[in-house]
Amino acid sequence: SQTIHQWPATLVQPVGSPLSLECTVEGTSNPNLYWYRQAAGRGLQLLFYSVGIGQISSEVPQNLSASRPQDRQFILSSKKLLLSDSGFYLCAWVTGSGGYTFGSGTRLTVV
Amino acid sequence: GDSVTQMEGPVTLSEEAFLTINCTYTATGYPSLFWYVQYPGEGLQLLLKATKADDKGSNKGFEATYRKETTSFHLEKGSVQVSDSAVYFCALSDKSRYSTLTFGKGTMLLVSP
Repeated sequence: SQTIHQWPATLVQPVGSPLSLECTVEGTSNPNLYWYRQAAGRGLQLLFYSVGIGQISSEVPQNLSASRPQDRQFILSSKKLLLSDSGFYLCAWVTGSGGYTFGSGTRLTVV
Repeated sequence: GDSVTQMEGPVTLSEEAFLTINCTYTATGYPSLFWYVQYPGEGLQLLLKATKADDKGSNKGFEATYRKETTSFHLEKGSVQVSDSAVYFCALSDKSRYSTLTFGKGTMLLVSP
């Protein structure tokens, strides 16, 4: 079956610390993968998407970066977190029918 | 660029009331349209979708019709339940940009017994 795993579920990090969020998918190959962020009181914002290994498209210039070291692995990173990086981060992939499957999300609080 | 506008909430209803959440969009081309639901503390789940004009998506008693002439995709349900309390997101998918989704800001629905 096709599943998506995202971890950790919650994270509290101090300002200036690094970040690494991981997302992996199972049961598919060469998926399109996405990172979205939901900030408090705002909708979902597309951060990055990838259509293949090593390929990253960035939608919004910011303090974050993404990498895709393997076909089914998508990593969101930051070298130094800002308070404004707090939010709910969601990984997603697109199924053959064009629908999205979202991970369970990571709630990041930067303090 | 593409955009989605949905009514601001919260929408507060009593159980068994009729629900409408308005959604309009701006897009070039012919996007697919979606409604996603987010229950408290959880990620997003696809509720329904429509891929072309006049298509009606439906699931769990919810319906929405893709109206190209009014660029709308309003969500409706005839009789809401307490368990429908959640945040609802309207979204469109741009096939020309690798199916990236553009979301509305979300509408919180609160249903009381």
